[in-house]
Amino acid sequence: GQQVMQIPQYQHVQEGEDFTTYCNSSTTLSNIQWYKQRPGGHPVFLIQLVKSGEVKKQKRLTFQFGEAKKNSSLHITATQTTDVGTYFCAGGLTGGTSYGKLTFGQGTILTVHP
Amino acid sequence: DAGITQSPRHKVTETGTPVTLRCHQTENHRYMYWYRQDPGHGLRLIHYSYGVKDTDKGEVSDGYSVSRSKTEDFLLTLESATSSQTSVYFCAIPGPNTGELFFGEGSRLTVL
Repeated sequence: GQQVMQIPQYQHVQEGEDFTTYCNSSTTLSNIQWYKQRPGGHPVFLIQLVKSGEVKKQKRLTFQFGEAKKNSSLHITATQTTDVGTYFCAGGLTGGTSYGKLTFGQGTILTVHP
Repeated sequence: DAGITQSPRHKVTETGTPVTLRCHQTENHRYMYWYRQDPGHGLRLIHYSYGVKDTDKGEVSDGYSVSRSKTEDFLLTLESATSSQTSVYFCAIPGPNTGELFFGEGSRLTVL
């Protein structure tokens, strides 16, 4: 079945440093989504990428979808303590009963030291 | 946030007992999902529903059953709970765009 691998599992940074997490799928995806989960909270949708090679930005966050639609990355510039949490990628397949059935990566736990 | 609530939020039970978790939505959406979250595994799909009385299995459905008798409620049942089912369970519904999910607050289940 489809697998989505995410690295690193943990990342500790000093406030102000950059952070990147990477996702790699065993199969071609129709889209990739990114979620953030604060400690003790629930996953919250950040963004969806659909097109090959797509790059989207949300303030200090930059999301990329690979040309082959099998990998993706999330980069945070100049981390802040509010960035603390677990970041998940989730791969989606097209159509029919695949709607909403996501395969999640293992997540990257980000800690930011002030 | 989307109108989606889960109950109970926390439960401790013993091995072999039945457990039912409830997900309630006010968005009138056809689709509803149950995921479980475990360290090192991310979130994994247990079961999903694409309408009243229409359900199907996900990646980790063994030991779980679901029911959807009305649009707003999706129940997840562990017929005989085992320690391996200790987890945090999240219910989700689709958002307004294509395929993104809104999650409930989660139900933390501990099976002793």
